[in-house]
Amino acid sequence: DAKTTQPPSMDCAEGRAANLPCNHSTISGNEYVYWYRQIHSQGPQYIIHGLKNNETNEMASLIITEDRKSSTLILPHATLRDTAVYYCIATGNQFYFGTGTSLTVIP
Amino acid sequence: NAGVMQNPRHLVRRRGQEARLRCSPMKGHSHVYWYRQLPEEGLKFMVYLQKENIIDESGMPKERFSAEFPKEGPSILRIQQVVRGDSAAYFCASSIGSAGGLTDTQYFGPGTRLTVL
Repeated sequence: DAKTTQPPSMDCAEGRAANLPCNHSTISGNEYVYWYRQIHSQGPQYIIHGLKNNETNEMASLIITEDRKSSTLILPHATLRDTAVYYCIATGNQFYFGTGTSLTVIP
Repeated sequence: NAGVMQNPRHLVRRRGQEARLRCSPMKGHSHVYWYRQLPEEGLKFMVYLQKENIIDESGMPKERFSAEFPKEGPSILRIQQVVRGDSAAYFCASSIGSAGGLTDTQYFGPGTRLTVL
């Protein structure tokens, strides 16, 4: 299973776009990229996932590079409620949660 | 449509007692997954079950831990003879199973916080 690398923490100004990077250089062809977030100690919340193409839903956009070795989660207009730990997962046989990126949205 | 339900939300046990954690998947979901999260760490996969079958238990400790997902009723994660190191948040997730296995989108419950005194 591909492992992922994320920066441990990031800040973003309220109302601005938050761009969270993820490296998954060992991802294989049939592994999806999933993003979840965990607010405080609540259960992880599903955000978005993709295989090859860029994806967008009501929460976020997911940009996957052509070689699939990295991706970026974009929260277009960050709010204070988006402060959370964001996990990037490249899933094959298991969902492997690393330590994620702690995003702090600043007023 | 109710989400994944877990109970109890908080559980306190003394060393040596048994802990039973319950998980009811979302309606229409037949796959259940259990994870453990220690303080300041990410979630660690424990076990993946379908109705009446354990599919992958590679993350389960070899002793004292067991899981089941009966034909009727919730999935149960059972920890026998608990020790202080078992104190953690235990999360359950469910998926519909259409894509097959662990590549399904998983939806998580609120977790059970286990404290061992």
